[in-house]
Amino acid sequence: NAGVMQNPRHLVRRRGQEARLRCSPMKGHSHVYWYRQLPEEGLKFMVYLQKENIIDESGMPKERFSAEFPKEGPSILRIQQVVRGDSAAYFCASSPLPGGDTQYFGPGTRLTVL
Amino acid sequence: AQSVTQPDIHITVSEGASLELRCNYSYGATPYLFWYVQSPGQGLQLLLKYFSGDTLVQGIKGFEAEFKRSQSSFNLRKPSVHWSDAAEYFCAVELGTARQLTFGSGTQLTVLP
Repeated sequence: NAGVMQNPRHLVRRRGQEARLRCSPMKGHSHVYWYRQLPEEGLKFMVYLQKENIIDESGMPKERFSAEFPKEGPSILRIQQVVRGDSAAYFCASSPLPGGDTQYFGPGTRLTVL
Repeated sequence: AQSVTQPDIHITVSEGASLELRCNYSYGATPYLFWYVQSPGQGLQLLLKYFSGDTLVQGIKGFEAEFKRSQSSFNLRKPSVHWSDAAEYFCAVELGTARQLTFGSGTQLTVLP
């Protein structure tokens, strides 16, 4: 059973461009969490999704950020009009059930905004 | 405010020495508690978790952690550190309606030969 896959692993964007980060959960997992890790900080929760539904987006910035988890395909975290402050590592975790005890983390996507 | 605190930003130990990483939480009830390890450029790997029951929990790679309710602490320990243990360690609690993880700011461990 393959682990949580994230791609790309590294992404470079110029200010104002769009960034799309993909997360393929482990087989059989229908719950996805996205976290952001700013330099020198711990991970911060952004959004929790189940298939085709956003359950909790309380950690998402109000503008420019969106997430989806379609019935088929990976979960996508989309950042429009990126700014330098968006530079961070973005991790997703998948789980067969909601909760921290069964979250498996991907290797992360490191976004650099020039 | 609810929080997870890791008071030590950076710890250096010699290989073979014992290790203790501190974690304190501030919540009204006992949350679910976790320790994760992150190697450079990698994702997070779960070391151990505490939900209830025995307050001393064993994890992978020879790590253990002790939950102390009176001190609101969940400190991570290892009796003899190996060079491969050099990494960043994060304490986390589960909370919120989404049952998401809230992480401390991490402790960077350096192991001297």
